[in-house]
Amino acid sequence: GPKVLQIPSHQIIDMGQMVTLNCDPVSNHLYFYWYKQILGQQMEFLVNFYNGKVMEKSKLFKDQFSVERPDGSYFTLKIQPTALEDSAVYFCASSRDWGVAEQFFGPGTRLTVL
Amino acid sequence: AQKVTQTQTSISVVEKTTVTMDCVYETRDSSYFLFWYKQTASGEIVFLIRQDSYKKENATVGHYSLNFQKPKSSIGLIITATQIEDSAVYFCAMREGEGGSALGRLHFGAGTQLIVIP
Repeated sequence: GPKVLQIPSHQIIDMGQMVTLNCDPVSNHLYFYWYKQILGQQMEFLVNFYNGKVMEKSKLFKDQFSVERPDGSYFTLKIQPTALEDSAVYFCASSRDWGVAEQFFGPGTRLTVL
Repeated sequence: AQKVTQTQTSISVVEKTTVTMDCVYETRDSSYFLFWYKQTASGEIVFLIRQDSYKKENATVGHYSLNFQKPKSSIGLIITATQIEDSAVYFCAMREGEGGSALGRLHFGAGTQLIVIP
């Protein structure tokens, strides 16, 4: 099936540093999403993004979080500054449209904040 | 309150048998979409099957099928002829329609771990 790529697969950083998580969505998809999964728990929605704008965000999408996709390159999630509670696996997803189409997920980036 | 609830934490079945995983959801929308994904041991999340709320016929894809009981707000996943490689964590998810949390947000359940024994 369609593939979403995420770089890096693992990232370890010190608390307070900035981190950028990269996502390469399916080529003809227009809607992009980030989800957060703390170890052993369910995935939680963070944000969705379309046409250069955040369309919806959850309470988990703190002020320290930002997303962008400059000129059709990677769809990125930036956290600045990071906190210990940001340690989790972050999954990127994309879909052809927001309404009907299913979302396809990347393999995730495991972020560890020390 | 949880919008999607999976009460079965873990299920073990013998290979080649049939298993059903439960999922109930909560929404006020008349139109919504239900999905099942599986997460493999490597962490990969794979889309399996979907059910649109306005469709009465249960969806079927390969050896996956759904038991959609709309009056009970229930969407069970049935796997027939289970294989060892079906061992994974299975997540139920819901996307609400216009009146709820729209724009594609998926609400996930806590997941059910399936262990297929030889």
